[in-house]
Amino acid sequence: EAGVVQSPRYKIIEKKQPVAFWCNPISGHNTLYWYLQNLGQGPELLIRYENEEAVDDSQLPKDRFSAERLKGVDSTLKIQPAELGDSAVYLCASSPGTSGGHRVETQYFGPGTRLLVL
Amino acid sequence: TQLLEQSPQFLSIQEGENLTVYCNSSSVFSSLQWYRQEPGEGPVLLVTVVTGGEVKKLKRLTFQFGDARKDSSLHITAAQPGDTGLYLCAGDEVDSNYQLIWGAGTKLIIKP
Repeated sequence: EAGVVQSPRYKIIEKKQPVAFWCNPISGHNTLYWYLQNLGQGPELLIRYENEEAVDDSQLPKDRFSAERLKGVDSTLKIQPAELGDSAVYLCASSPGTSGGHRVETQYFGPGTRLLVL
Repeated sequence: TQLLEQSPQFLSIQEGENLTVYCNSSSVFSSLQWYRQEPGEGPVLLVTVVTGGEVKKLKRLTFQFGDARKDSSLHITAAQPGDTGLYLCAGDEVDSNYQLIWGAGTKLIIKP
């Protein structure tokens, strides 16, 4: 079974340019997460989807970041315009989402997209 | 302020040695997970502990959840180069709707 797929794996852009990341979760997983990870740090949640609904986007900088999961399957995270401080690894994860919110589920991560803003 | 404090931040030891890394908080957690992340990859779940005082073993790795469910430890016996990676703990606070809070990780290097 295929794992979480992310593309591109690497992206180098100049500041003020737009950038988009794509994630395809494990088939059948209802919950999708986007995280930001700085070097030597743990992941920081940006947004969590239950199917197509964004149920937690409190940490998403909405002035420049946006995300969508239109059909409740794959998802896109966009930054426009990018700033130097956005250089980081952007991780996507998915979980079954079948616990009904009654327990913590295992999150399955993709390899991440490494973004460098010059 | 980091809600989950992991220590040490960095550890480099020789193959065959034993080690323990820690995950501490002032908050109480319903459960706590340990993940390992290798360079260029996403984190992979190692174990979930849910009961205060619980001990789980995964081959040479022993995980313990504190009695008060505020802290956890990971002990590795006879470390091998394949154990190299970033070890992350993540917990869901009581009444947090099962959302995970992540520590900053312990970067472990095992030298052959």
